[in-house]
Amino acid sequence: GQQLNQSPQSMFIQEGEDVSMNCTSSSIFNTWLWYKQDPGEGPVLLIALYKAGELTSNGRLTAQFGITRKDSFLNISASIPSDVGIYFCAGSNNAGNMLTFGGGTRLMVKP
Amino acid sequence: DAGVTQSPTHLIKTRGQQVTLRCSPISGHKSVSWYQQVLGQGPQFIFQYYEKEERGRGNFPDRFSARQFPNYSSELNVNALLLGDSALYLCASSLGVGSGLGYTFGSGTRLTVV
Repeated sequence: GQQLNQSPQSMFIQEGEDVSMNCTSSSIFNTWLWYKQDPGEGPVLLIALYKAGELTSNGRLTAQFGITRKDSFLNISASIPSDVGIYFCAGSNNAGNMLTFGGGTRLMVKP
Repeated sequence: DAGVTQSPTHLIKTRGQQVTLRCSPISGHKSVSWYQQVLGQGPQFIFQYYEKEERGRGNFPDRFSARQFPNYSSELNVNALLLGDSALYLCASSLGVGSGLGYTFGSGTRLTVV
């Protein structure tokens, strides 16, 4: 089963609001990744984090790699309707040959 | 440039049947990974292949098998299908076996077992 606990499971927000979601694990990961999945499509990589404590931005998205290497968060500022979708966190192990995904956060944005 | 292509896009099979799903990686990518995504959940790792060799296997029964061809394309086979095998099967390609950078996913094959 999945090892990553992602919260919240869903969010319904007003356009322009900021969003925060996080992911925790019982295991240490060497890499944390955040993906977005639209209906009928595969996940698309948003941000990759490689060092504990690292804070990385990609436009309106900001993500951090927790110091303990067991957690990560993703923030979206000034949400817009096209932010709608399911966001997944994923951790990569030492070998880097597999990704462990969280259960996803479904984001809905009201115009 | 073509991304990761998967075929077929949709498939309906009967319990007990066998199915083969296909994946063509991005040109130049030598690694292919397979994931199963049950409705409402995150993807779960099934296999990774690199240079035609299995480099990782997830917690799936032996009914699941895969292989990679000299042109780096890959097939996922599932035997004796169960209702619970109904899911979106995702293929991801990457240059090699690494820390997660460069995993590009295809749009998946939606398998329905009835």
